[in-house]
Amino acid sequence: DAGVTQSPTHLIKTRGQQVTLRCSPKSGHDTVSWYQQALGQGPQFIFQYYEEEERQRGNFPDRFSGHQYPNYSSELNVNALLLGDSALYLCASSSLEGLMNTEAFFGQGTRLTVV
Amino acid sequence: DAKTTQPPSMDCAEGRAANLPCNHSTISGNEYVYWYRQIHSQGPQYIIHGLKNNETNEMASLIITEDRKSSTLILPHATLRDTAVYYCIVRVDNYGQNFVFGPGTRLSVLP
Repeated sequence: DAGVTQSPTHLIKTRGQQVTLRCSPKSGHDTVSWYQQALGQGPQFIFQYYEEEERQRGNFPDRFSGHQYPNYSSELNVNALLLGDSALYLCASSSLEGLMNTEAFFGQGTRLTVV
Repeated sequence: DAKTTQPPSMDCAEGRAANLPCNHSTISGNEYVYWYRQIHSQGPQYIIHGLKNNETNEMASLIITEDRKSSTLILPHATLRDTAVYYCIVRVDNYGQNFVFGPGTRLSVLP
């Protein structure tokens, strides 16, 4: 049983460019959340998707957007990249069983470097 | 902001029990205590979670005080591979709730 998979593992982009990161949730999970982790800090919540809609959002600008597909996989898009967007981007999947969250499982992350 | 307080770092001798404390004095009655750990440059790994009662699984034990204002994660026989940052998080297990990570405790298991 594959866990949460993210692609790519590493990425280098130039300021002003756009980037798309991808996530496949753990089998049986229907909810995907995205987190940003700057060096030396804990992960910060970006947003959560369930039933192909953004359900909750953290304190991130509109440059950060996402999508969830019918197979529950998800994408994180970041436009107009800034140097400060350099971070490890983590995807977490969980299941809403009767609207109660189960524990979340995290992928290994995508290391984004903006130069 | 994170609703938990943890020591920034701890050391533990290999083979001994590692006891990681967490204070969550403002925890609400419907908030669970979760523990995750993150080994360098990897994604956080789920360890255990509980509401009121003590919990044990193949990785660790979670001891929650009766007033639920603090808890302790116990790794019974720490190994070098347990060296990681350990995060204690409180969260309501309802629809749409996310995890709020603090800085965690950096556990170093020493040979």
